[in-house]
Amino acid sequence: GQQLNQSPQSMFIQEGEDVSMNCTSSSIFNTWLWYKQEPGEGPVLLIALYKAGELTSNGRLTAQFGITRKDSFLNISASIPSDVGIYFCAAKGTNAGKSTFGDGTTLTVKP
Amino acid sequence: GAVVSQHPSRVICKSGTSVKIECRSLDFQATTMFWYRQFPKKSLMLMATSNEGSKATYEQGVEKDKFLINHASLTLSTLTVTSAHPEDSSFYICSAEGGVSYNEQFFGPGTRLTVL
Repeated sequence: GQQLNQSPQSMFIQEGEDVSMNCTSSSIFNTWLWYKQEPGEGPVLLIALYKAGELTSNGRLTAQFGITRKDSFLNISASIPSDVGIYFCAAKGTNAGKSTFGDGTTLTVKP
Repeated sequence: GAVVSQHPSRVICKSGTSVKIECRSLDFQATTMFWYRQFPKKSLMLMATSNEGSKATYEQGVEKDKFLINHASLTLSTLTVTSAHPEDSSFYICSAEGGVSYNEQFFGPGTRLTVL
């Protein structure tokens, strides 16, 4: 089946540093999504990408839909303590049906 | 917009009892709802996909007689954990798709189930 390889699995960074994480697959997708989950909460949608090559920002977050449609990355600039959480990538191949999720990147930001 | 609620947020029950969890899309009609299970520090495990008015599609390895899913309307889906046992203790999260953002899943806040 379709799988997403998300890396890194975890990151420990200093406040103020930039963060980069990515998802890759051997399959082609039409939609890439990035979510953040805080402890005890459900994931919250951060950015949705619909076109190959698309680069979208949401505040300090920037995500890109890879040109091959098989990958995506998420960057966080100037990290702050409230950025801590688990970041999930997700992708869909068609307009209908379930999304495939990565295993998540756990981010820890040290003040 | 795109708010999904879950109720209850936390439930503790005795082994052998059944527990019902509700998932509601508050400001859009959800053509599809999904139920996930998540273990501590682990990824989201899709349990089933449900479309309004039809039977849920369960993922491989998920017992449909144990995890009953009903999607009675475009804004409500329920998950019933029947004859719960301690190994069913987990964080259960629903998500919904529909409306103008039909390609985006919006998640509920989750339900922490503890079976004693």
